[in-house]
This record gives sequence, structure tokens and C-alpha cells, in this order.
Amino acid sequence: GENVEQHPSTLSVQEGDSAVIKCTYSDSASNYFPWYKQELGKRPQLIIDIRSNVGEKKDQRIAVTLNKTAKHFSLHITETQPEDSAVYFCAASYYGNNRLAFGKGNQVVVIP
Amino acid sequence: GAGVSQSPSNKVTEKGKDVELRCDPISGHTALYWYRQSLGQGLEFLIYFQGNSAPDKSGLPSDRFSAERTGGSVSTLTIQRTQQEDSAVYLCASSLQGGAVYNEQFFGPGTRLTVL
Repeated sequence: GENVEQHPSTLSVQEGDSAVIKCTYSDSASNYFPWYKQELGKRPQLIIDIRSNVGEKKDQRIAVTLNKTAKHFSLHITETQPEDSAVYFCAASYYGNNRLAFGKGNQVVVIP
Repeated sequence: GAGVSQSPSNKVTEKGKDVELRCDPISGHTALYWYRQSLGQGLEFLIYFQGNSAPDKSGLPSDRFSAERTGGSVSTLTIQRTQQEDSAVYLCASSLQGGAVYNEQFFGPGTRLTVL
């Protein structure tokens, strides 16, 4: 089955700086890659996703890039703010599959 | 509208006891998922329901785990003869439909299970 790995496990950034989280996946058939954000004590929520027919997608201060050849995708957060502090989970799947394979999560800490 | 709800929010039980965890999905969502989140770990898939189809149970870690979904809505996850390694947060999620995994999954607040 699909195996998703995230690096680094913890990332500390100064407020206003950028944060980048990278995920790698194993199944070349995967073509859907969502990112979920989980704030402390709260439920995971989808923040952005990308399909394999595009290489980059942006939504305000967040963006996701995909490299299908290398089988990795990354989340980019620009101009970080304290409310960006959370655990971020990447996941991978393919159309028609019932399951999302999640990574173990990255703890992002934004230092004011 | 109302989101996914789960009950209880916390459950403390003794080793060897059975527990039942409940999930109420968003109205109209035909797909329902159960995940387990252990400390410092990701979201481990347990089971998936889609409409009236047979559930995908391939993620259940042992035969002590089972789940039902009645009337295509409420779901119950049952853990029999609980063990300490079952301690985790159990999350439920629902989506408009399954199969087409592009549909966003909406998560519930989770049930924190502690097995003493």
C-alpha cells in the first residue's frame, strides 16, 4: 500500500518567515495529495489539496508543489503568523481508492 | 450546519473491558471513515463505509475491533477486551461520497480512549 513520510517532524520559524514541509510517497499511482491542519485540541481540517495534473497550487499564504517524478510534494506557508502553529498532515491517494494514506504529521511552531 | 459529532469525548476504561465509540456524520454524507491517532503518530485508517456497500475493514488492527453503521448514518466502533495499546484518539470523518477520494473529509472532534 501507499506509504507517506513527512520531514521534518518539528519546525520552528520566526513570525513572518516562511515554512516548508516536505512529504514523500511511494505509490506512483497516487494522484491526489491533500494537506490537513490540526490545531492543538482540535480536529484536522483540509487546508489545500493538489491533483497530479498540476505542479503547483496557491491559496493566499499557502501553496503546495508536486514533483511526480521524484514522488514528493511540499507545503509552503509564507509570512507565517502565530495562528499557523499546528500539526500539518499530508496524505496521498488515487481516484477510486477509499483511503487516504496519512503521514505522521509535522509540528510547526511560529515564534512571535 | 452541524458538523461531525462523536461521543463520548473521553473514555477511561480498564484493561479487558469492551468499549463503544459513536460517530454522527454530517447529514447527507454517504461515506464514513474511522481513524486512530496515537501520540506523535499520524492518522491510521481503520475502516470505511460507503452507502450500503460492504465496509472496507482492511485497516482494523485485530479481530477485537469492529464497526457498524446503521441506516447509512450513525456508526459505532466497538473494541472488545481492550488493551493498553488501544489507548489513542479515535477520529471519525465523513465525506459527501467515497470512491472519489477527491471529496473533502470532515473530521469529528475525536474520542480520547485511555485503557488503564
